[in-house]
Parts: sequence; C-alpha cells; structure tokens
Amino acid sequence: DAGVIQSPRHEVTEMGQEVTLRCKPISGHDYLFWYRQTMMRGLELLIYFNNNVPIDDSGMPEDRFSAKMPNASFSTLKIQPSEPRDSAVYFCASTSRDRATEAFFGQGTRLTVV
Amino acid sequence: AQSVTQPDIHITVSEGASLELRCNYSYGATPYLFWYVQSPGQGLQLLLKYFSGDTLVQGIKGFEAEFKRSQSSFNLRKPSVHWSDAAEYFCAVKDYGQNFVFGPGTRLSVLP
Repeated sequence: DAGVIQSPRHEVTEMGQEVTLRCKPISGHDYLFWYRQTMMRGLELLIYFNNNVPIDDSGMPEDRFSAKMPNASFSTLKIQPSEPRDSAVYFCASTSRDRATEAFFGQGTRLTVV
Repeated sequence: AQSVTQPDIHITVSEGASLELRCNYSYGATPYLFWYVQSPGQGLQLLLKYFSGDTLVQGIKGFEAEFKRSQSSFNLRKPSVHWSDAAEYFCAVKDYGQNFVFGPGTRLSVLP
C-alpha cells in the first residue's frame, strides 16, 4: 500500500476563495482523521469518520469548514470562504478498528491564505 | 476525559548523549500508547507502540520506551543521540473510540 495520500502538498489561495483538500486513506482502514497543525495551537483534531460516517466534528472551527467521506477510499476537507488564519498544515490519517493499530499519517497539505 | 502531557516543550542535547522525553497520560482503562516523530515538512511517523506485554518496548531508529502504570508514564529513551534525531516528538493514547489523543509535542535540538 502507498500509505495515506494527500493532495495537494501545497496550496496558496487568496482570502475568500474556496479550498478543497483531499485524502485517500489506506485500503481497509475504517477510521479517517483530519488534523490541523500550527505553531500556536499544535496538532488539533478537526473531525474523524468511522465507516464513512462522521463521529466527532467538535474540532471543526466554524461553519466555513466542512468534511465529507463519500466512500471508503476518499475524503475531502473544504474551507469556504478561506481566511488568512486558516493557514496551517492539514494532515489526514487513518487507522483500523484494531486498537493496537497506529494512526498512519499522510504527508500533509500546507495551506497558505493570503 | 483522556489527556496526554509532555512537560518539556524543547530539549537540547549534544550528539552522542543520552535522551529521555517524558510523557504522562490520563486514561481510565488500559492505555494503548504511541510515540511519533515528525521531521520538518513531514508527516508523523510511528517510532513505537505499547498495548500489552513487556513494559519496555523497542522501536525504530534505536528508540525505546517504558510503560509505568503506577506513574501513568510512557517515557521515550535513546542511549546515544544522532544529529538526524533532531525533530518534534509526539506521545499519543488511543481510546476505545479509536480516536487518538496527542500530547503537545517536544522539540528536540541536537548540538554537534
């Protein structure tokens, strides 16, 4: 398996524009997580899914953020409209229902909103 | 609620010196514990994990960690640090909901 795949690796956009981040989890994993990492706040859990269903979205900052998982092999995180304070590295991770399985992380998407 | 603390925000050691990074967790049941490393511009990579058995676990890159239930700790150690070990280190616990709770991280700098 190629691991968790995120795209794009880097995104620069103007304030007010819509941004869509993409993630392909490891095949067979039941859980998918979206994290945001900044210097000020560290690694924050935004939302996670189990079998494509959102389980906990309490970390989503506000209504401008939305996440979907239409099938087991694809998820998106959308920000509309984007703001400069959304600039961060966004990570996707997946794991299986076996508690002994670690979270496998993608390489992240570095988002810059100007 | 479960939580993970890493008391040291930043640690500096000389190359060749030993290293210990501290991790304390708060969790009501048997914890499933993990240590990750993050190099600049990279994602998080698993170093090692503990969920049962021998409380001293070996990981990649010469790291080991010891689980101490009485102290609610899972400290990471390495006998001799290499310059390439400079990175951010995260401790995490996995709960019954399969969610991961991460500590704030410890940044390691290595002096030549």
